[in-house]
Amino acid sequence: GNSVTQMEGPVTLSEEAFLTINCTYTATGYPSLFWYVQYPGEGLQLLLKATKADDKGSNKGFEATYRKETTSFHLEKGSVQVSDSAVYFCALSDPGSGYALNFGKGTSLLVTP
Amino acid sequence: SAVISQKPSRDICQRGTSLTIQCQVDSQVTMMFWYRQQPGQSLTLIATANQGSEATYESGFVIDKFPISRPNLTFSTLTVSNMSPEDSSIYLCSVGGQGGTEAFFGQGTRLTVV
Repeated sequence: GNSVTQMEGPVTLSEEAFLTINCTYTATGYPSLFWYVQYPGEGLQLLLKATKADDKGSNKGFEATYRKETTSFHLEKGSVQVSDSAVYFCALSDPGSGYALNFGKGTSLLVTP
Repeated sequence: SAVISQKPSRDICQRGTSLTIQCQVDSQVTMMFWYRQQPGQSLTLIATANQGSEATYESGFVIDKFPISRPNLTFSTLTVSNMSPEDSSIYLCSVGGQGGTEAFFGQGTRLTVV
């Protein structure tokens, strides 16, 4: 079956530090890959996505590249801000599973001034 | 895009009772998904609800415990039956995600069973 594994948190960084959150996946087909973010007290929302190999998703300074050879979709940001403090979920969507999302366990990020 | 209204936003319930969560979408959709987010955990799919057919449940979830209705293309309900403290979670409905498109989520229902 499909699964998503992402690095354990919590992650604590100082403002302007470089961020990497690792995500690897297992899928039987050709999934689409996503990063969702959950800010404190808010609902889940899409941060970025990639639908095929070598695609790069980007938004709000965050990037992730769909690497089929390593089955990875690592999230990166060059300079984090306090406002980036949130929980980040890596997820995949596979046509074989009816397009419901498989989520990783989530990584909590705290950025301090 | 889709806007999802989910209610109630939170509730505290007595064990042994049932709670029905409603999910209203502002557009017609074929599939609706129900997820559970236990404290400190990720989202786990409970079931997929298609209009006009019975919901499809994931392993570990059964219809007797989590009956779902899908009377039309914009509305669905999830009932958490015979609740126990282990059912304390956030329950979310979702639409979209087909073909790599964005999925949209309701704000969630935070359920506490005492």
